[in-house]
Amino acid sequence: QSALTQPASVSGSPGQSITISCTGTSSDVGGYNYVSWYQQHPGKAPKLMIYDVSNRPSGVSNRFSGSKSGNTASLTISGLQAEDEADYYCSSYTSSSTLVFGTGTKVTVL
Amino acid sequence: QLQLQESGPGPVKPSETLSLTCTVSGGSISRSSYYWGWIRQPPGKGLEWIGSIYYSGSTYYNPSLKSRVTISVDTSKNQFSLKLSSVTAADTAVYYCARESSSSSFDYWGQGTLVTVSS
Repeated sequence: QSALTQPASVSGSPGQSITISCTGTSSDVGGYNYVSWYQQHPGKAPKLMIYDVSNRPSGVSNRFSGSKSGNTASLTISGLQAEDEADYYCSSYTSSSTLVFGTGTKVTVL
Repeated sequence: QLQLQESGPGPVKPSETLSLTCTVSGGSISRSSYYWGWIRQPPGKGLEWIGSIYYSGSTYYNPSLKSRVTISVDTSKNQFSLKLSSVTAADTAVYYCARESSSSSFDYWGQGTLVTVSS
């Protein structure tokens, strides 16, 4: 199975909004509402930020939001803060009853 | 608070079998609606899902690793384990265990353990 496609890097200034895309196929992202997003700081385990396309776990800032259109899911971070600088990964359930992660995006706060 | 902790014997030689155990504390591994998974991350690279198991023993694996992977569960010890056979240097990675919800998202993670494959 092929990894979902994410941009290698996205940057923004403090206070701005950025959006990270996650492109798959109709067999994964487009076929199910089981898209999740993870934040990973260097040397740390990933942290779940969004599940089921647009739901936030308890304790996750409402500055993080998720959406999906067709085969592409998106994570938007509004009011960008220095602490948001990290790697972000999407994941999706697939028609083969497996899971696949995205290629990862490095977010830089300018 | 649920906690997961990976443990293993350390470096592995090429062609040998990598073995890791994940111990779950603060909750029962037998709780319904949750799978328990393994994910790995080679140094400087992205995340790769290895496979997941239900407390009943039902498993599903990444097709690219399926021929070499076995995941098992020991509910009496609240643990689940990973075995990856015939390892090569390409299997060098940080290995994470995590709880997988019914929506296929991983909501609790272990801290990860670096496994190096080297002769």
